[in-house]
Amino acid sequence: EAGVAQSPRYKIIEKRQSVAFWCNPISGHATLYWYQQILGQGPKLLIQFQNNGVVDDSQLPKDRFSAERLKGVDSTLKIQPAKLEDSAVYLCASSSWRAGGAADTQYFGPGTRLTVL
Amino acid sequence: AQKVTQAQTEISVVEKEDVTLDCVYETRDTTYYLFWYKQPPSGELVFLIRRNSFDEQNEISGRYSWNFQKSTSSFNFTITASQVVDSAVYFCALSEPYILTGGGNKLTFGTGTQLKVEL
Repeated sequence: EAGVAQSPRYKIIEKRQSVAFWCNPISGHATLYWYQQILGQGPKLLIQFQNNGVVDDSQLPKDRFSAERLKGVDSTLKIQPAKLEDSAVYLCASSSWRAGGAADTQYFGPGTRLTVL
Repeated sequence: AQKVTQAQTEISVVEKEDVTLDCVYETRDTTYYLFWYKQPPSGELVFLIRRNSFDEQNEISGRYSWNFQKSTSSFNFTITASQVVDSAVYFCALSEPYILTGGGNKLTFGTGTQLKVEL
């Protein structure tokens, strides 16, 4: 079974430029997550989708970050304009959806390492 | 609010030593899930184990074992006879259910423990 796919693996941009990351979840997984992992820290959830609807985007800096999952499968995360503090690894994960708060396992992609100069 | 504490920032051991990674969590939920993930230098988070709050049995998988103690809110991870390939950052995580959505959950991660296994 194919895992979570992400591209690109690495990206270097100048501050104030725009960048987009792509994620394709494990087939059949209804839930998709984007995380930001700053060096030396644990991943922090940016946004969670259930199919093509947003479940939680409370920690997404909406003035510069946006994400979409139009057809309920793959997803794009965009930063516009980028700041120096956005340098991080952006991880995508997917899982099945369970009602009642039960936690299904999240499986992660290889991540995109973003460097903002 | 949910919180996960991994007090050990970095641990160095010599190959074949046993090593325990500590994880302490805080939650007000009565039903919750705990996870351990491994992040090798390649960067991908690899799932190791998922445990729900009603199952306090310890688990062993090869050289890996987990000790879940609800009384002390701890979920510690032991690697027996460590190997160089075990070198990685290990994260403990706690799930938080979304009450208003009727399903789904959110993971809160600890800051990770860097394990270095040397020859």
